[in-house]
Amino acid sequence: GAGVSQTPSNKVTEKGKYVELRCDPISGHTALYWYRQSLGQGPEFLIYFQGTGAADDSGLPNDRFFAVRPEGSVSTLKIQRTERGDSAVYLCASSLGLDGTDTQYFGPGTRLTVL
Amino acid sequence: AQSVSQHNHHVILSEAASLELGCNYSYGGTVNLFWYVQYPGQHLQLLLKYFSGDPLVKGIKGFEAEFIKSKFSFNLRKPSVQWSDTAEYFCAVSRGGSQGNLIFGKGTKLSVKP
Repeated sequence: GAGVSQTPSNKVTEKGKYVELRCDPISGHTALYWYRQSLGQGPEFLIYFQGTGAADDSGLPNDRFFAVRPEGSVSTLKIQRTERGDSAVYLCASSLGLDGTDTQYFGPGTRLTVL
Repeated sequence: AQSVSQHNHHVILSEAASLELGCNYSYGGTVNLFWYVQYPGQHLQLLLKYFSGDPLVKGIKGFEAEFIKSKFSFNLRKPSVQWSDTAEYFCAVSRGGSQGNLIFGKGTKLSVKP
């Protein structure tokens, strides 16, 4: 499809486990963003890639969270030693990466539930 | 730090009523402003955006928003809502002049009664 895709759509895991969430951006988009949305809140920024490099990772809550984008396209968000507080919808967005007026196109999200 | 405030958590209107959703942001520099909408069961999509020029911007589906710099506001309006406008609406801001992340408000849920 032409939009941002994310897999899996739902992930249930146990406390302490490791999870990986995948994002496939729109073809040709150099900028990629990860956000987290908790119930009743707006999306909260986690990390932003321009190409392969993390241009801004100031939103990552702690060192259990890590993201990569090795070839400048698909990105993986990795969460180690998951905690119940990590339960949320994880959103990915991509944009052309030209400047701040670019529209960010969002994927459907991955709903993570930590039991 | 930047922040975005949306004044209404849940708004309930009848069809054909007029809509205004409030949004205020806190940042002293140049900003880009966005309204996103999330229809039930769908992902976030852009309604409209402002980055420069005419402070009254028009978006899809008859929505418009007005940037008032002196009030740090970017309120969303629609003269006559439809049942299909039932959704959650998010205001967002990014720093002007460079690529960067969006800061979102908490969202306003709009319910339109047929």
